[in-house]
Amino acid sequence: DSGVTQTPKHLITATGQRVTLRCSPRSGDLSVYWYQQSLDQGLQFLIQYYNGEERAKGNILERFSAQQFPDLHSELNLSSLELGDSALYFCASSDGQGLYNEQFFGPGTRLTVL
Amino acid sequence: AQSVTQPDIHITVSEGASLELRCNYSYGATPYLFWYVQSPGQGLQLLLKYFSGDTLVQGIKGFEAEFKRSQSSFNLRKPSVHWSDAAEYFCAVGAGGGKLIFGQGTELSVKP
Repeated sequence: DSGVTQTPKHLITATGQRVTLRCSPRSGDLSVYWYQQSLDQGLQFLIQYYNGEERAKGNILERFSAQQFPDLHSELNLSSLELGDSALYFCASSDGQGLYNEQFFGPGTRLTVL
Repeated sequence: AQSVTQPDIHITVSEGASLELRCNYSYGATPYLFWYVQSPGQGLQLLLKYFSGDTLVQGIKGFEAEFKRSQSSFNLRKPSVHWSDAAEYFCAVGAGGGKLIFGQGTELSVKP
Protein backbone atom coordinates (compact mmCIF):
# COMPACT_ATOMS: atom_id res chain seq x y z
CA ASP A 1 0.00 0.00 0.00
CA SER A 2 1.56 3.26 -1.19
CA GLY A 3 -0.59 5.50 0.98
CA VAL A 4 -2.13 7.17 -2.07
CA THR A 5 -5.86 6.60 -2.39
CA GLN A 6 -7.99 6.99 -5.47
CA THR A 7 -11.74 6.89 -5.82
CA PRO A 8 -13.66 5.40 -7.41
CA LYS A 9 -11.86 2.20 -8.38
CA HIS A 10 -14.06 1.68 -11.40
CA LEU A 11 -16.23 4.04 -13.37
CA ILE A 12 -18.49 3.19 -16.29
CA THR A 13 -20.13 5.99 -18.18
CA ALA A 14 -21.39 6.99 -21.61
CA THR A 15 -19.92 9.14 -24.34
CA GLY A 16 -20.51 12.83 -23.86
CA GLN A 17 -20.66 12.59 -20.08
CA ARG A 18 -18.46 14.22 -17.46
CA VAL A 19 -16.72 12.45 -14.57
CA THR A 20 -14.51 13.42 -11.65
CA LEU A 21 -11.69 11.27 -10.36
CA ARG A 22 -10.39 11.90 -6.88
CA CYS A 23 -6.95 11.43 -5.37
CA SER A 24 -5.73 11.74 -1.80
CA PRO A 25 -1.94 11.94 -1.57
CA ARG A 26 0.22 10.40 1.11
CA SER A 27 0.22 12.31 4.35
CA GLY A 28 2.65 15.22 4.05
CA ASP A 29 3.10 15.03 0.28
CA LEU A 30 2.65 18.33 -1.50
CA SER A 31 2.88 17.19 -5.12
CA VAL A 32 0.20 15.31 -7.00
CA TYR A 33 0.63 13.88 -10.47
CA TRP A 34 -1.93 12.43 -12.88
CA TYR A 35 -1.12 9.77 -15.46
CA GLN A 36 -3.23 7.99 -18.07
CA GLN A 37 -2.53 4.39 -19.03
CA SER A 38 -4.21 3.12 -22.19
CA LEU A 39 -3.49 0.34 -24.64
CA ASP A 40 -2.97 2.84 -27.46
CA GLN A 41 -0.84 5.46 -25.75
CA GLY A 42 0.79 3.55 -22.93
CA LEU A 43 1.50 5.39 -19.70
CA GLN A 44 1.39 9.16 -20.21
CA PHE A 45 1.96 12.05 -17.86
CA LEU A 46 -0.98 14.44 -17.76
CA ILE A 47 -0.34 17.11 -15.16
CA GLN A 48 1.42 17.93 -11.88
CA TYR A 49 0.31 20.14 -9.01
CA TYR A 50 2.46 21.30 -6.14
CA ASN A 51 0.84 22.81 -3.07
CA GLY A 52 -2.19 23.91 -5.05
CA GLU A 53 -0.41 25.29 -8.08
CA GLU A 54 0.09 23.74 -11.49
CA ARG A 55 3.76 22.85 -11.99
CA ALA A 56 4.02 20.81 -15.17
CA LYS A 57 1.73 19.86 -17.98
CA GLY A 58 1.90 16.92 -20.35
CA ASN A 59 -0.40 15.57 -23.01
CA ILE A 60 -3.59 16.61 -21.29
CA LEU A 61 -6.57 17.25 -23.52
CA GLU A 62 -8.48 20.53 -23.28
CA ARG A 63 -11.54 18.49 -22.25
CA PHE A 64 -9.62 17.43 -19.14
CA SER A 65 -8.85 19.65 -16.18
CA ALA A 66 -7.43 19.16 -12.73
CA GLN A 67 -7.03 21.01 -9.49
CA GLN A 68 -5.46 20.56 -6.10
CA PHE A 69 -7.37 21.76 -3.10
CA PRO A 70 -6.08 23.39 0.12
CA ASP A 71 -6.22 20.02 1.89
CA LEU A 72 -3.94 18.76 -0.93
CA HIS A 73 -6.33 16.27 -2.41
CA SER A 74 -6.73 16.51 -6.15
CA GLU A 75 -9.46 15.96 -8.68
CA LEU A 76 -9.21 15.20 -12.37
CA ASN A 77 -12.26 16.25 -14.35
CA LEU A 78 -12.92 14.61 -17.70
CA SER A 79 -15.70 16.05 -19.86
CA SER A 80 -17.33 15.34 -23.22
CA LEU A 81 -16.05 11.82 -22.85
CA GLU A 82 -15.12 9.78 -25.91
CA LEU A 83 -14.57 6.07 -26.33
CA GLY A 84 -10.85 6.70 -26.54
CA ASP A 85 -10.80 8.14 -23.04
CA SER A 86 -11.29 4.65 -21.63
CA ALA A 87 -8.14 4.02 -19.64
CA LEU A 88 -6.61 3.52 -16.23
CA TYR A 89 -5.96 6.85 -14.55
CA PHE A 90 -3.23 6.92 -11.93
CA CYS A 91 -2.51 9.50 -9.33
CA ALA A 92 0.90 9.73 -7.71
CA SER A 93 2.25 11.92 -4.96
CA SER A 94 5.64 13.04 -3.68
CA ASP A 95 6.87 15.27 -0.91
CA GLY A 96 8.67 17.65 -3.26
CA GLN A 97 8.19 18.85 -6.78
CA GLY A 98 11.26 17.52 -8.59
CA LEU A 99 12.49 14.20 -9.85
CA TYR A 100 14.62 13.65 -6.75
CA ASN A 101 11.40 13.09 -4.87
CA GLU A 102 10.05 9.58 -5.33
CA GLN A 103 6.56 9.39 -6.76
CA PHE A 104 4.22 6.96 -4.99
CA PHE A 105 1.41 5.69 -7.14
CA GLY A 106 -2.16 4.95 -6.20
CA PRO A 107 -4.00 1.84 -7.42
CA GLY A 108 -5.73 3.75 -10.22
CA THR A 109 -9.26 4.43 -11.40
CA ARG A 110 -10.40 2.36 -14.35
CA LEU A 111 -12.65 4.42 -16.60
CA THR A 112 -14.80 2.72 -19.20
CA VAL A 113 -16.64 4.89 -21.69
CA LEU A 114 -19.43 3.10 -23.56
CA ALA B 1 12.13 15.24 -27.67
CA GLN B 2 12.67 12.87 -24.82
CA SER B 3 11.56 9.30 -25.35
CA VAL B 4 12.00 5.82 -23.95
CA THR B 5 11.98 2.58 -25.89
CA GLN B 6 11.53 -0.84 -24.40
CA PRO B 7 12.12 -3.19 -27.33
CA ASP B 8 10.63 -6.29 -25.72
CA ILE B 9 6.88 -6.30 -25.21
CA HIS B 10 6.82 -9.69 -23.52
CA ILE B 11 9.56 -11.88 -22.03
CA THR B 12 9.28 -15.32 -20.50
CA VAL B 13 12.00 -16.71 -18.27
CA SER B 14 12.24 -19.79 -16.10
CA GLU B 15 12.23 -19.42 -12.36
CA GLY B 16 15.81 -19.20 -11.13
CA ALA B 17 17.13 -17.95 -14.46
CA SER B 18 18.71 -14.56 -14.92
CA LEU B 19 16.79 -11.65 -16.36
CA GLU B 20 17.67 -8.61 -18.42
CA LEU B 21 15.06 -6.09 -19.56
CA ARG B 22 16.18 -3.58 -22.12
CA CYS B 23 15.59 0.15 -22.08
CA ASN B 24 16.89 2.81 -24.46
CA TYR B 25 16.31 6.49 -23.97
CA SER B 26 16.59 9.67 -25.97
CA TYR B 27 17.49 12.75 -23.97
CA GLY B 28 19.71 15.73 -24.67
CA ALA B 29 21.36 16.12 -21.31
CA THR B 30 22.30 13.77 -18.49
CA PRO B 31 19.14 11.79 -17.94
CA TYR B 32 17.38 10.90 -14.75
CA LEU B 33 16.33 7.29 -15.24
CA PHE B 34 13.89 5.06 -13.42
CA TRP B 35 12.52 1.53 -13.42
CA TYR B 36 9.04 0.85 -12.09
CA VAL B 37 7.13 -2.39 -11.64
CA GLN B 38 3.38 -2.80 -11.96
CA SER B 39 1.79 -5.92 -10.55
CA PRO B 40 -1.71 -6.87 -11.76
CA GLY B 41 -4.32 -4.55 -10.29
CA GLN B 42 -1.71 -2.44 -8.57
CA GLY B 43 -0.14 0.93 -9.07
CA LEU B 44 3.48 1.39 -10.01
CA GLN B 45 6.29 0.85 -7.54
CA LEU B 46 9.76 2.32 -7.93
CA LEU B 47 12.47 -0.34 -8.24
CA LEU B 48 15.48 1.91 -8.67
CA LYS B 49 16.68 5.20 -10.09
CA TYR B 50 19.78 6.78 -11.57
CA PHE B 51 20.66 10.44 -11.25
CA SER B 52 24.44 10.55 -11.38
CA GLY B 53 27.55 8.85 -10.07
CA ASP B 54 28.04 5.11 -10.09
CA THR B 55 26.54 3.74 -13.28
CA LEU B 56 25.48 0.49 -11.62
CA VAL B 57 22.55 1.11 -9.31
CA GLN B 58 20.99 -1.28 -6.88
CA GLY B 59 17.30 -1.38 -6.21
CA ILE B 60 14.72 -3.23 -4.22
CA LYS B 61 13.81 -6.90 -4.62
CA GLY B 62 17.31 -7.81 -5.83
CA PHE B 63 17.17 -5.76 -9.03
CA GLU B 64 19.99 -3.69 -10.46
CA ALA B 65 20.40 -1.54 -13.55
CA GLU B 66 23.38 -0.23 -15.45
CA PHE B 67 23.50 3.17 -17.13
CA LYS B 68 25.52 3.18 -20.36
CA ARG B 69 25.73 6.62 -21.84
CA SER B 70 27.45 5.44 -25.03
CA GLN B 71 24.56 3.11 -25.76
CA SER B 72 21.81 5.35 -24.34
CA SER B 73 20.68 2.37 -22.33
CA PHE B 74 19.54 1.61 -18.83
CA ASN B 75 18.93 -2.14 -18.71
CA LEU B 76 17.39 -3.83 -15.71
CA ARG B 77 18.86 -7.09 -14.43
CA LYS B 78 18.23 -9.71 -11.82
CA PRO B 79 20.48 -12.75 -11.33
CA SER B 80 17.73 -15.18 -10.30
CA VAL B 81 14.06 -14.62 -11.05
CA HIS B 82 11.31 -15.64 -8.64
CA TRP B 83 7.74 -16.44 -9.62
CA SER B 84 6.62 -13.33 -7.73
CA ASP B 85 8.59 -11.16 -10.17
CA ALA B 86 5.96 -11.76 -12.86
CA ALA B 87 4.64 -8.27 -13.60
CA GLU B 88 4.96 -5.43 -16.06
CA TYR B 89 8.11 -3.35 -15.94
CA PHE B 90 8.39 0.24 -17.06
CA CYS B 91 11.48 2.27 -17.78
CA ALA B 92 11.12 6.05 -17.50
CA VAL B 93 13.16 9.20 -18.04
CA GLY B 94 12.66 12.42 -16.14
CA ALA B 95 11.70 15.31 -18.38
CA GLY B 96 11.75 18.38 -16.19
CA GLY B 97 9.87 19.23 -13.03
CA GLY B 98 8.36 15.99 -11.85
CA LYS B 99 7.38 14.80 -15.29
CA LEU B 100 8.19 11.20 -16.18
CA ILE B 101 8.17 9.81 -19.71
CA PHE B 102 7.55 6.08 -19.71
CA GLY B 103 8.37 3.35 -22.17
CA GLN B 104 5.68 1.01 -23.41
CA GLY B 105 6.47 -1.57 -20.79
CA THR B 106 7.75 -5.15 -20.82
CA GLU B 107 5.53 -7.88 -19.49
CA LEU B 108 7.48 -10.56 -17.67
CA SER B 109 6.17 -14.10 -17.32
CA VAL B 110 7.95 -16.63 -15.13
CA LYS B 111 7.82 -20.36 -15.92
CA PRO B 112 7.96 -22.78 -12.99
